[in-house]
Amino acid sequence: QKEVEQDPGPLSVPEGAIVSLNCTYSNSAFQYFMWYRQYSRKGPELLMYTYSSGNKEDGRFTAQVDKSSKYISLFIRDSQPSDSATYLCATPAAGNFNKFYFGSGTKLNVKP
Amino acid sequence: DAGVIQSPRHEVTEMGQEVTLRCKPISGHDYLFWYRQTMMRGLELLIYFNNNVPIDDSGMPEDRFSAKMPNASFSTLKIQPSEPRDSAVYFCASSLGDGRTDTQYFGPGTRLTVL
Repeated sequence: QKEVEQDPGPLSVPEGAIVSLNCTYSNSAFQYFMWYRQYSRKGPELLMYTYSSGNKEDGRFTAQVDKSSKYISLFIRDSQPSDSATYLCATPAAGNFNKFYFGSGTKLNVKP
Repeated sequence: DAGVIQSPRHEVTEMGQEVTLRCKPISGHDYLFWYRQTMMRGLELLIYFNNNVPIDDSGMPEDRFSAKMPNASFSTLKIQPSEPRDSAVYFCASSLGDGRTDTQYFGPGTRLTVL
């Protein structure tokens, strides 16, 4: 079993829709969770960073962690064509903040 | 700052040839990471350095892979001999400090095709 599992999509939505992207993780010791955005032919860039359970909001983006079910989510409100990218969830290994486990990524297409 | 610089951006080679990928981290960053991304396996950490010293190479797939960091501004990832299954996008990333407090910044990647 991979440390982080993610539905690869693709996910296609109309502009303005609310998008929900999800991951599950295997180890209950994981505490930090990140979402990266990767545009086509580019390297990933950090979008959001959360610790433990709960929600974190940044503009149109909300990251949510449910430790009881080992489930992490990223919500995008009022999605824009510029949000079209692949979104990867990630978590550092327990005890090693430099060793990240990444999900396989969900490709999102927001249609104008 | 120019960000993390990788070269070449694309590499096409034949099976059995030696391949060298290069990375220049962001100036002042103490950590350097090499990743591989494929459709099948996603983004995987191969090795990372702290202050030019390899810390964890448990992700290096085989002895055919080697990485060096001779100084703070340069690192190489070498594959010898290369095989078709090594075809992937290889990313280099750097961070100022430990991942607990500092973000990893990724380069644009090197797209490797082994025929």
